[in-house]
Amino acid sequence: DAGITQSPRYKITETGRQVTLMCHQTWSHSYMFWYRQDLGHGLRLIYYSAAADITDKGEVPDGYVVSRSKTENFPLTLESATRSQTSVYFCASISGGFNEQFFGPGTRLTVL
Amino acid sequence: GQNIDQPTEMTATEGAIVQINCTYQTSGFNGLFWYQQHAGEAPTFLSYNVLDGLEEKGRFSSFLSRSKGYSYLLLKELQMKDSASYLCAVHLTGGFKTIFGAGTRLFVKA
Repeated sequence: DAGITQSPRYKITETGRQVTLMCHQTWSHSYMFWYRQDLGHGLRLIYYSAAADITDKGEVPDGYVVSRSKTENFPLTLESATRSQTSVYFCASISGGFNEQFFGPGTRLTVL
Repeated sequence: GQNIDQPTEMTATEGAIVQINCTYQTSGFNGLFWYQQHAGEAPTFLSYNVLDGLEEKGRFSSFLSRSKGYSYLLLKELQMKDSASYLCAVHLTGGFKTIFGAGTRLFVKA
């Protein structure tokens, strides 16, 4: 199906483990974003990418790594998960011609 | 620094009109978004204001005053399904980065 998808939708992991959240979009949008959403903070930008192999830090990048080898995929890796990274993670994309962001359904991550 | 303020919660009655305010102080400004987010779901786009003034789209309208750093979202003829969080977000200059406010949770009661 066309659109933007995220996997897994729910994930429970333990402190210190490496976790990768996947994001895939079928529109060939140039820009992709990763946000985390926590109560009281709204959406905060973690990383974004303007095109394949071009990524940049957002507001809260510490503890996260991204890559973009293909336009359609933008995985987010937590190298060593901490409890403070328990959150809901949203991936989003825009085409570049218009500014509206299209969001994926989100991944709810719990770090024990 | 970047700062976006909006009320945490609001309650309104079905059929009524509600105005959700947003003030912002950012280091750059290209435009202002409003998104709707139902509980447990992803945000969805409502409006994007670049110029001062009111833009109307069905039951929803959005207003912007760039000189005052102020916007509001106006919802008319409220329906129960309008119960959701409304996110104010500033599109910054120099790219496609967007800064979001914490959101306003709107409760619509019968």
